[in-house]
Amino acid sequence: KAGVTQTPRYLIKTRGQQVTLSCSPISGHRSVSWYQQTPGQGLQFLFEYFSETQRNKGNFPGRFSGRQFSNSRSEMNVSTLELGDSALYLCASSENGQGYSGANVLTFGAGSRLTVL
Amino acid sequence: DAKTTQPNSMESNEEEPVHLPCNHSTISGTDYIHWYRQLPSQGPEYVIHGLTSNVNNRMASLAIAEDRKSSTLILHRATLRDAAVYYCILSDAGGTSYGKLTFGQGTILTVHP
Repeated sequence: KAGVTQTPRYLIKTRGQQVTLSCSPISGHRSVSWYQQTPGQGLQFLFEYFSETQRNKGNFPGRFSGRQFSNSRSEMNVSTLELGDSALYLCASSENGQGYSGANVLTFGAGSRLTVL
Repeated sequence: DAKTTQPNSMESNEEEPVHLPCNHSTISGTDYIHWYRQLPSQGPEYVIHGLTSNVNNRMASLAIAEDRKSSTLILHRATLRDAAVYYCILSDAGGTSYGKLTFGQGTILTVHP
């Protein structure tokens, strides 16, 4: 099985621009989560999607948004980029169904490293 | 979210066992104990998880205290490839947990040749 694929792997943007990151989950996985990793804050949860619906959201401003398509692929968008948005953005997929148990395991991609100048 | 406490760093020699501790004194009855690790320049990687009983898989073993207030990840023979940041995470069921793992600072494991 192919793993979680994130594109692009690296990108550079300037303040005020917007960016869209893409994530293809493992085949058969319907849940996709997004995380931000910075040296100062560590790994922080952004949001989770299942069957094209956002089920959970972390504590991030509205500039951060996402969506999921019918094939479970997901995108996240950051508008009006700020210097502090420079980070590694990680996508993870899980094969959990409608319910969610604490036993669910996430498989992470390698991430998209965003640099905002 | 229930919190976990891990040492900031640990060191080991190659081919020796490594015991990585984690304290979670406020764990609830439905919290699963998960371990993930993150190698340099990669996303986190699942290692093992358990609820009450000790668990073994091809990567590691998880020893859970009888009162569940602490656990230990055991790498039986450390290799250089095991050098990573190891995260101990509690995961509960329920809507607020969908897709969400709360990562702490983790333990930086250094493996010496």
